[in-house]
Amino acid sequence: AQSVTQLDSQVPVFEEAPVELRCNYSSSVSVYLFWYVQYPNQGLQLLLKYLSGSTLVESINGFEAEFNKSQTSFHLRKPSVHISDTAEYFCAVSDKGFQKLVFGTGTRLLVSP
Amino acid sequence: GAGVSQTPSNKVTEKGKYVELRCDPISGHTALYWYRQSLGQGPEFLIYFQGTGAADDSGLPNDRFFAVRPEGSVSTLKIQRTERGDSAVYLCASSLDGFDGTEAFFGQGTRLTVV
Repeated sequence: AQSVTQLDSQVPVFEEAPVELRCNYSSSVSVYLFWYVQYPNQGLQLLLKYLSGSTLVESINGFEAEFNKSQTSFHLRKPSVHISDTAEYFCAVSDKGFQKLVFGTGTRLLVSP
Repeated sequence: GAGVSQTPSNKVTEKGKYVELRCDPISGHTALYWYRQSLGQGPEFLIYFQGTGAADDSGLPNDRFFAVRPEGSVSTLKIQRTERGDSAVYLCASSLDGFDGTEAFFGQGTRLTVV
């Protein structure tokens, strides 16, 4: 069975500092990988996805993640965070695209001035 | 509507009661998904509809849980004989066609509290 591990439940960081949110997965078949973000009082929103092709994927607001098959990881990075990036971030894996996502427990990113 | 709509946004019920949670997907979306998010956990898959039929219901925890989508649009998740352990946020998502690369959009969820 697939599973996702997000080891960091909470990551505090200062504004304009870089951040990395870690995600490791276990899957024995071809894999699709996702990062979702949940801002306070809002629903889950897709941040970025890896389906195929380039292993480095980027979002429109400066986040990026790299699919590393040998390390079974899909870490999320941003070189300089903003206060507005404060949110809960969920990593997810699937072997059927968006049909049946397996989520990690989430990482709360807290950005302070 | 513009997005996935779930009603009610909050539901408090007594242990043993029956509840229904409603999901209105994005207009035209044929695929619909239900997830459950318990406190401190990530969302957990419950069931996936393609049109009117349940394509995958392997995530339903037991036979107290049932979901329908009779006309291929609105879906209702039904929980019988609710237990305190059913307390969670129930999330609904929809996608245009259910193919691997088609994004699923989530609603804001229904927070169910069983007292």
